[in-house]
Amino acid sequence: NAGVTQTPKFRILKIGQSMTLQCAQDMNHNYMYWYRQDPGMGLKLIYYSVGAGITDKGEVPNGYNVSRSTTEDFPLRLELAAPSQTSVYFCASSYSGQGGTQYFGPGTRLLVL
Amino acid sequence: KNQVEQSPQSLIILEGKNCTLQCNYTVSPFSNLRWYKQDTGRGPVSLTIMTFSENTKSNGRYTATLDADTKQSSLHITASQLSDSASYICVVSEKTSYDKVIFGPGTSLSVIP
Repeated sequence: NAGVTQTPKFRILKIGQSMTLQCAQDMNHNYMYWYRQDPGMGLKLIYYSVGAGITDKGEVPNGYNVSRSTTEDFPLRLELAAPSQTSVYFCASSYSGQGGTQYFGPGTRLLVL
Repeated sequence: KNQVEQSPQSLIILEGKNCTLQCNYTVSPFSNLRWYKQDTGRGPVSLTIMTFSENTKSNGRYTATLDADTKQSSLHITASQLSDSASYICVVSEKTSYDKVIFGPGTSLSVIP
């Protein structure tokens, strides 16, 4: 049981480049989330999904896009990377909504220069 | 505005000593409160959860308390170990259609020998 996996672990992007952060879970959870964590700040919700084919915006969605074609996968797309997107990104999943126990991946550290 | 504040921002204690971390929130309507532990370079892991009617919950050497009237929670760590060095995050759920959560900024705990 791998839980929640994320790739890559670390990436450096140039301003204006695009990339996709991968997230997968093997717990058959319907709910999945993408967060960003900036130093000294609480995690901020970027996007979430309540099941395959259903996604919605969180607090800080600008500059990001998601898709959910399967229960297992929830990739996060960054278009036209900006320095403000330098952060650590966490993917998480849960069985019963955001207030339920969330299982987090190990994170992706992104540096935009 | 729904907020979660934590204190202290950081704490250094000697191995074997006890410590208490604080969480104050203004989230309403309240659903539940969780404490997560986040080791350096890893995703957060849930330690405890408390609903409105619960005022104490233990998980090994970790004991969380909740005062729903004053909107305060604490996490007490007994007989600290080096492995307790981590960030401890207070997370409060707002009762919405998907139980929106607000993450506190975390308290960074360092346990030294």
